[in-house]
Amino acid sequence: DTGVSQDPRHKITKRGQNVTFRCDPISEHNRLYWYRQTLGQGPEFLTYFQNEAQLEKSRLLSDRFSAERPKGSFSTLEIQRTEQGDSAMYLCASSIAGNTEAFFGQGTRLTVV
Amino acid sequence: AQSVTQLGSHVSVSEGALVLLRCNYSSSVPPYLFWYVQYPNQGLQLLLKYTSAATLVKGINGFEAEFKKSETSFHLTKPSAHMSDAAEYFCAVSPKGDKIIFGKGTRLHILP
Repeated sequence: DTGVSQDPRHKITKRGQNVTFRCDPISEHNRLYWYRQTLGQGPEFLTYFQNEAQLEKSRLLSDRFSAERPKGSFSTLEIQRTEQGDSAMYLCASSIAGNTEAFFGQGTRLTVV
Repeated sequence: AQSVTQLGSHVSVSEGALVLLRCNYSSSVPPYLFWYVQYPNQGLQLLLKYTSAATLVKGINGFEAEFKKSETSFHLTKPSAHMSDAAEYFCAVSPKGDKIIFGKGTRLHILP
């Protein structure tokens, strides 16, 4: 197992386009988290899943953002009608429920031009 | 809302000197507390975590942190800085053991 994997690592898109990111967690981990990190800031929580159920969504997550984890394994985060303010690093993490240690992927850096 | 405050967005220490990165948390009950490190263009790596088992927590790479309930602090220390310690450090709290709330980070610079 190579840890949490995110794809793509970098994405440049034009304003108004839709983008989708993928996260593959560590295989036995049933919790999966999405965070957003902008320059000079700490990661901000967006949403998390336990198995396929989305248990919590941050108020930061506008209706242009949607996340899924259909089979309780990998997850996708889609941003519709991207805006320049969406430019950030999107981080995925996974853990086992009941274990506080979360393992992070290397992130997907989104640039909206 | 639960949060952490990191004092100093940038800290510079000489190689071989003591590293001290400060973190204060706000929580009505003892939470889970963490320190993570982030190297350029990398994800976050867990340095150490406090889960109420012991107030002095030892982590990787020679770092340790002490939970002080009376001061609501969880400062990170290392006796002797190494050039490879230069990175961004994040203090974080997990009130219920699920999502993690991060501080704004402290960038550690090591002077030769």
